Amino acid sequence: DVKVTQSSRYLVKRTGEKVFLECVQDMDHENMFWYRQDPGLGLRLIYFSYDVKMKEKGDIPEGYSVSREKKERFSLILESASTNQTSMYLCASWDGQKSTGELFFGEGSRLTVL
Amino acid sequence: QKEVEQDPGPLSVPEGAIVSLNCTYSNSAFQYFMWYRQYSRKGPELLMYTYSSGNKEDGRFTAQVDKSSKYISLFIRDSQPSDSATYLCAMSESNFGNEKLTFGTGTRLTIIP
Repeated sequence: DVKVTQSSRYLVKRTGEKVFLECVQDMDHENMFWYRQDPGLGLRLIYFSYDVKMKEKGDIPEGYSVSREKKERFSLILESASTNQTSMYLCASWDGQKSTGELFFGEGSRLTVL
Repeated sequence: QKEVEQDPGPLSVPEGAIVSLNCTYSNSAFQYFMWYRQYSRKGPELLMYTYSSGNKEDGRFTAQVDKSSKYISLFIRDSQPSDSATYLCAMSESNFGNEKLTFGTGTRLTIIP
């Protein structure tokens, strides 16, 4: 089974802090994604990556950056956390060789910025 | 107007009932349609995937797509308490090559024993 692991399930940070959210997948998938999920807004794509060291902006990249130094690891970085970044963050990976459109999600990281 | 609109719910039905979950979309380029199920405090998981108009069955679940009306549905027969979750529709223009999924906002479903 594909496993996508997000290292932190719950984080509480203060405004202005730098925040790292780590995601690791164990199925050698090339494609990885970061979403945030908010009530009434659904899942919104922040950044995605089709290969190591490659990144593409999603729909809401402002205030975020990413790092993909190794194929299995995709990190989301909040350079200076703000209260409007309080949210559930979901990492996902996808096997580009299959045609089912299936994203494999981690369990999420719930971030609260005070 | 959002590209994908989904009935927000919440929806509560008694065990054994037939459940209908729906999404409409405005982008006629969407060709691939999915339903994800998300249990509380978990990530979404793929439930159904289809790319053609019509019905697709998988056990108690039926996904229905009407491209002419830009409308998709998920039916759950003989609903069980274990079906209680948030259901998200998702769609894309291509077979997810260089495209990203567009998600609905999700419908929270509770099956009452």
